[in-house]
Amino acid sequence: DVKVTQSSRYLVKRTGEKVFLECVQDMDHENMFWYRQDPGLGLRLIYFSYDVKMKEKGDIPEGYSVSREKKERFSLILESASTNQTSMYLCASSLWAAGPYEQYFGPGTRLTVT
Amino acid sequence: KQEVTQIPAALSVPEGENLVLNCSFTDSAIYNLQWFRQDPGKGLTSLLLIQSSQREQTSGRLNASLDKSSGRSTLYIAASQPGDSATYLCAVREETSGSRLTFGEGTQLTVNP
Repeated sequence: DVKVTQSSRYLVKRTGEKVFLECVQDMDHENMFWYRQDPGLGLRLIYFSYDVKMKEKGDIPEGYSVSREKKERFSLILESASTNQTSMYLCASSLWAAGPYEQYFGPGTRLTVT
Repeated sequence: KQEVTQIPAALSVPEGENLVLNCSFTDSAIYNLQWFRQDPGKGLTSLLLIQSSQREQTSGRLNASLDKSSGRSTLYIAASQPGDSATYLCAVREETSGSRLTFGEGTQLTVNP
């Protein structure tokens, strides 16, 4: 079974803090994704990575950055957390784009910025 | 820009009923379509993936169909159970978007004992 884990289920941070969300997958997947999920807006793609040290912006990258130093790990960084970044953050992974491969999701991190 | 719509937004049914969830998408140039389940406060669990060349996929009591030309997919749940209560999301992967998915907002299903 594919397993995608996220470092925290719940996180509370203060405005202005630098926040790191970690995601690890154990199936040697090339692709990794970060989404945020908000009521009424659905899931929106923040960033994705198709290989180590490679990244592409998604639909809402502003205020975020990412890091992928190892194939199994994809980090989302909030450089200076703001209250409008309070959300559910979901990480996903999949095999290389050329195949019909499913995306597998982690359990999510509920981030609250106060 | 691809848009994915799911109707209804919420559905409540008695246990044992067969039901259909709908998903429509505006651009038919899709590579595949994936159905997910999400329990409250949890991540997404993949249920079924249908390739653009396929008409349907089945897994247990679930059957998903795809009509690419009309931009529609349905998820059929047979003999519903209270444990099926969750939010069901569909997502499309476009031919030109690499691995990116575009999600609908989901249908919140409640199955009453």
